[in-house]
Amino acid sequence: DVKVTQSSRYLVKRTGEKVFLECVQDMDHENMFWYRQDPGLGLRLIYFSYDVKMKEKGDIPEGYSVSREKKERFSLILESASTNQTSMYLCASTTPPGSYEQYFGPGTRLTVT
Amino acid sequence: QKEVEQNSGPLSVPEGAIASLNCTYSDRGSQSFFWYRQYSGKSPELIMFIYSNGDKEDGRFTAQLNKASQYVSLLIRDSQPSDSATYLCAVNRAGTYKYIFGTGTRLKVLA
Repeated sequence: DVKVTQSSRYLVKRTGEKVFLECVQDMDHENMFWYRQDPGLGLRLIYFSYDVKMKEKGDIPEGYSVSREKKERFSLILESASTNQTSMYLCASTTPPGSYEQYFGPGTRLTVT
Repeated sequence: QKEVEQNSGPLSVPEGAIASLNCTYSDRGSQSFFWYRQYSGKSPELIMFIYSNGDKEDGRFTAQLNKASQYVSLLIRDSQPSDSATYLCAVNRAGTYKYIFGTGTRLKVLA
C-alpha cells in the first residue's frame, strides 16, 4: 500500500513565523505535490516536484517555497506566515508514468493567528 | 467555465439506492480521470480511476467515461450511510504532471 505521511495533523502559528510542513512517501515515487484546500475553492496546486532538487510552481506559489533534497521527502515552507495562509495543506505523490494515480497524505490543518 | 465542474450538492439518496455523481471537463487533451472520496476533516482517498471510454467496475463502484461528451461519472450501487462524503473528480492531461480537481459533490445516504 502507498503510504504518504505528513509531519503534523494540526499546527497553530503566529503571523510572520517561518513554517515548515514535511511530507514523506515510502513508495519511491518520483512526483510529489503540495496542495491547499479551502471551502468553495477546492484543491489548488502550490508546487510540485518531479525529481530530487527539481520543482515547478503550481497555480498559487506566492508566499511559499519548497525543498526536495531526498526522493522520499518534500517540504513546504511558508517564509512569513500570514492569516490568509490558514488552510488545509495536502501532500500527494504519484505512481510512475503509465498509471498516474495520485495518493494523498492525511493533511495538515494550519491556523495562522 | 471551470476546467472541471461538479454539482456541489448535497445529493441525497436513500440507503440501498444507486447514487450517480457527474463531472464534466473542458480540456479535450485530458487522458486520465479519477474519483476521490473525502470524509469531513480527512484527506482525499482514491477510489476509482479510468483512462478509456466506457465503464470500469470495482465492487459497488462503477466509473463511466465519455470523452466525446467530456464527462465522467461515478455510480455507487447499494449506497450505505458510510458512503456519505464529498466526492472529488480529478483529471490529468496527457504528458503533464498537473491534476485539475473539481470542487466536489457532497453525497448524503439516508438510513
